[in-house]
Amino acid sequence: TQLLEQSPQFLSIQEGENLTVYCNSSSVFSSLQWYRQEPGEGPVLLVTVVTGGEVKKLKRLTFQFGDARKDSSLHITAAQPGDTGLYLCAGAGDNAGNMLTFGGGTRLMVKP
Amino acid sequence: DAMVIQNPRYQVTQFGKPVTLSCSQTLNHNVMYWYQQKSSQAPKLLFHYYDKDFNNEADTPDNFQSRRPNTSFCFLDIRSPGLGDAAMYLCATSGTGRSPLHFGNGTRLTVT
Repeated sequence: TQLLEQSPQFLSIQEGENLTVYCNSSSVFSSLQWYRQEPGEGPVLLVTVVTGGEVKKLKRLTFQFGDARKDSSLHITAAQPGDTGLYLCAGAGDNAGNMLTFGGGTRLMVKP
Repeated sequence: DAMVIQNPRYQVTQFGKPVTLSCSQTLNHNVMYWYQQKSSQAPKLLFHYYDKDFNNEADTPDNFQSRRPNTSFCFLDIRSPGLGDAAMYLCATSGTGRSPLHFGNGTRLTVT
């Protein structure tokens, strides 16, 4: 069973601060996805990273996939209240039949 | 817009009274999933269909059943809901088992 550990579990920061969320595993993933979920809604895909060492940017969000494809990070610059939500990482195994493995989630609150 | 639609958004049922949640998709995706999500936690996979092939997670209680009569629709049946089954139930679809997931907005189930 592939496990993904996400940290921190909870994060409360002031508007304008920077933050990083980590997603770590001892297993290798063929790709890793990041989702954001707002209260009362389903998770929405933010990005998929596929190549070891890959960096993707989505406005103020920077996603990185580790060189060994075992870990990933999400960095938010100058956080805004609209960034508040549950951030989930999910890894796809190398086996074609594997389902996604979700991390435990990071609940972010950005206070104005 | 292609999407995943869950009905109802909110469902209240009595302890032990069977309840059915529904999901439809216009994405024509092969895979449909049911997840259970409790407060501030990551979604937990209950089961999924790859086309007509049903796949049950090992720790999904027998109380939970699913039907997929055609590509577009999938149902979650809870035969005898307990208080511990109160949760958000999320339906998702994907093209393959490792593709990004498209989630519905969920059904929040309350058991009284």
